[in-house]
Amino acid sequence: DGGITQSPKYLFRKEGQNVTLSCEQNLNHDAMYWYRQDPGQGLRLIYYSQIVNDFQKGDIAEGYSVSREKKESFPLTVTSAQKNPTAFYLCATRDATGRRTDTQYFGPGTRLTVL
Amino acid sequence: GNSVTQMEGPVTLSEEAFLTINCTYTATGYPSLFWYVQYPGEGLQLLLKATKADDKGSNKGFEATYRKETTSFHLEKGSVQVSDSAVYFCALSLNTGTASKLTFGTGTRLQVTL
Repeated sequence: DGGITQSPKYLFRKEGQNVTLSCEQNLNHDAMYWYRQDPGQGLRLIYYSQIVNDFQKGDIAEGYSVSREKKESFPLTVTSAQKNPTAFYLCATRDATGRRTDTQYFGPGTRLTVL
Repeated sequence: GNSVTQMEGPVTLSEEAFLTINCTYTATGYPSLFWYVQYPGEGLQLLLKATKADDKGSNKGFEATYRKETTSFHLEKGSVQVSDSAVYFCALSLNTGTASKLTFGTGTRLQVTL
């Protein structure tokens, strides 16, 4: 069954703790993205990766870190340096090979709440 | 820079009413334009897209036409259903190198009542 998996769906953490959000895909897409969504706002780009072992900062990267050791996986760590981490986090992928397309496909999201 | 402006919601309509959600954009270059839909508690689903001027994207009764002269991509549906209640996002993508980053509007919540 092809798709994008994000886990967990809901995540709670205490202030001062780092937490890692998982994003896995079996679509064989090269590019992967992390977005943050806050109530009443559009999505904002945190980090993106176009190939394995390479990633770039998006518009709001401060307080976050990522890795891309495998094509299928792009985990996001929310560090204690992120001032306001409570939000809905969305992972997306894009097929960047062959006939180029700019369409991104989204996972179901993880809702992070800092207690 | 690039930006997308959507009409503010919420938009409340009766079932079978006509829907228009306005979207205008500012971009340097020739973007691709998208409409995504988000149902409560879920991720975004691609609804339709258009990649060049005068293209019309359509899906599930929704339509939007890429208007370069007015820099707009308004979403329309002739007869909405209760199941169309969701948040709709307009977005653009510019292929800068190979990054294809999306710029989103703030979203428009649609509520359809019986």
